[in-house]
Amino acid sequence: GAGVSQSPSNKVTEKGKDVELRCDPISGHTALYWYRQSLGQGLEFLIYFQGNSAPDKSGLPSDRFSAERTGGSVSTLTIQRTQQEDSAVYLCASSLVPQQGSKQYFGPGTRLTVT
Amino acid sequence: AQSVTQLGSHVSVSEGALVLLRCNYSSSVPPYLFWYVQYPNQGLQLLLKYTTGATLVKGINGFEAEFKKSETSFHLTKPSAHMSDAAEYFCAVSGGSNYKLTFGKGTLLTVNP
Repeated sequence: GAGVSQSPSNKVTEKGKDVELRCDPISGHTALYWYRQSLGQGLEFLIYFQGNSAPDKSGLPSDRFSAERTGGSVSTLTIQRTQQEDSAVYLCASSLVPQQGSKQYFGPGTRLTVT
Repeated sequence: AQSVTQLGSHVSVSEGALVLLRCNYSSSVPPYLFWYVQYPNQGLQLLLKYTTGATLVKGINGFEAEFKKSETSFHLTKPSAHMSDAAEYFCAVSGGSNYKLTFGKGTLLTVNP
């Protein structure tokens, strides 16, 4: 079946604008994760969803970042008032169940550039 | 807290040579360990994982890794490198009550003809 998809694949925005990044997990996967990959920080966890609730938001870097998940499926990561340090690749992953050792399947990512 | 250290940000090998990518972890709970590969402009693909049981784990594309608790290591090896193995490799750990992956900084593998 289809893998994890993310849109857009690339996004260029001006500093101060808001952006929305979308993730479509694999159908039937109950757990969804957002990570950020940047040159300076490597791969960092942002937030984890179990169904529509987010038990772990510990990786969100500031209150400008928020995420939601609806219908136990699609998730949107929103960054308000973007800053240049937000430039990174945002990766989404999903797993069948939230369980230790569960394989996380990653999407191709959204490359965000803030000018 | 958990952490991962990958020794060597860049490893270069000749085609046909042994590949050894090093990973050491720190975890206060029994760890679950993963190796992911990332090709340019693509997402991460799982190579292999260690959960419990056998400490030598075999993965895709001829890769394997050995979990050594005494050394807190989970090094990735492949007996004979292929040009198509050129990519960035990430070691990751999870464990305890959270399911998030904590990644190392990555090792870029170059394979020379």
